Amino acid sequence: EPEVTQTPSHQVTQMGQEVILRCVPISNHLYFYWYRQILGQKVEFLVSFYNNEISEKSEIFDDQFSVERPDGSNFTLKIRSTKLEDSAMYFCASRLTALNTEAFFGQGTRLTVV
Amino acid sequence: GDSVTQMEGPVTLSEEAFLTINCTYTATGYPSLFWYVQYPGEGLQLLLKATKADDKGSNKGFEATYRKETTSFHLEKGSVQVSDSAVYFCALANGYGNKLVFGAGTILRVKS
Repeated sequence: EPEVTQTPSHQVTQMGQEVILRCVPISNHLYFYWYRQILGQKVEFLVSFYNNEISEKSEIFDDQFSVERPDGSNFTLKIRSTKLEDSAMYFCASRLTALNTEAFFGQGTRLTVV
Repeated sequence: GDSVTQMEGPVTLSEEAFLTINCTYTATGYPSLFWYVQYPGEGLQLLLKATKADDKGSNKGFEATYRKETTSFHLEKGSVQVSDSAVYFCALANGYGNKLVFGAGTILRVKS
């Protein structure tokens, strides 16, 4: 069964460092998303990506964040100059089309900023 | 903006008990509604969905009915098992691009 793959599963980084979280969406999917879940809190939308550009972003997704689809398979989230409050579980998701189809989620990357 | 409200947990039940997890939503237009489940150490998995009013989503013994008049999508299961222990998230998707808006999640613990 096709699945969304995220690496690494856990990343520890020093405050102020840059991190790149990687995702391989399902191969024929066209819409890609990043969500985050701070421990004990709800899952929050960060950004959606379609046709090689951001289609929507939340207030959380400020200049510190960027996304890229550098090749035909990877979808990355870069966080520049990490802060303690960036510590969270980050989920990648992909969807075949935009219309009411299931979003498939990866296992998540737990980011710990120390 | 759109929002989802879930009953707070944790919910602790004995095996074979009846489960209800309440979910209500606020949204413009006609959102699609979802229940996602997160088992310990795993990602989010779609449990069931409903795309229009009065639709009933069902999977693995779980059911939820899209009630537009009460803006609700309560999750039910007639007889829970220990293996159902997980975090359950109610969510909606609305409009082009269909980003998901999640509720806070409800922890379910089932004791044998």
